[in-house]
Amino acid sequence: AQKITQTQPGMFVQEKEAVTLDCTYDTSDPSYGLFWYKQPSSGEMIFLIYQGSYDQQNATEGRYSLNFQKARKSANLVISASQLGDSAMYFCAMREGQVRSGGSYIPTFGRGTSLIVHP
Amino acid sequence: DSGVTQTPKHLITATGQRVTLRCSPRSGDLSVYWYQQSLDQGLQFLIQYYNGEERAKGNILERFSAQQFPDLHSELNLSSLELGDSALYFCASSEGLNSGANVLTFGAGSRLTVL
Repeated sequence: AQKITQTQPGMFVQEKEAVTLDCTYDTSDPSYGLFWYKQPSSGEMIFLIYQGSYDQQNATEGRYSLNFQKARKSANLVISASQLGDSAMYFCAMREGQVRSGGSYIPTFGRGTSLIVHP
Repeated sequence: DSGVTQTPKHLITATGQRVTLRCSPRSGDLSVYWYQQSLDQGLQFLIQYYNGEERAKGNILERFSAQQFPDLHSELNLSSLELGDSALYFCASSEGLNSGANVLTFGAGSRLTVL
């Protein structure tokens, strides 16, 4: 079974608008972490934001925020005031638990969402 | 610049050949991870090293091997190459082993094309 599901293969947004990229995850471990990475056309993977399962508040990093809904097992990325440079692939990833509880602690990635920002 | 250095950036070779991809982790990071990104499989974890020792294995083929040296740089060796091995190979590093957020910092990748 997929541990990370990104159901939107492609998204379009107008410059300066906000956009939400969906991510749902599957785990029975109470301790886990969720990540979002950006991959522009040049290929590198850029870390954007992290949310721990025990974090009380939703993570924010500049224009990026993570809409963490634990009960729904979703960790959607919200990009506010989109810029042309935000056009890229976006990957959601999860690492599970602690090694002592059987978790691998190795992040697994979703298939990604392609975001295109229109001027 | 992420601080993780991968060489070569691009590599074109023929089926049956062997190649070595090299990675220098970010300063202070002890863990190194190798991932393979292909169109059909997405981003797949291959193997992890921590301070010179293998710590976790993912979907790594027997034709592939890796090691981490005392200076913490790592090499991924791919042998008996097949067309399907064409992919973008990422190295990533993190500070520790299994603690905290364990945010991975990725290198720019090595794009391998097997003809």
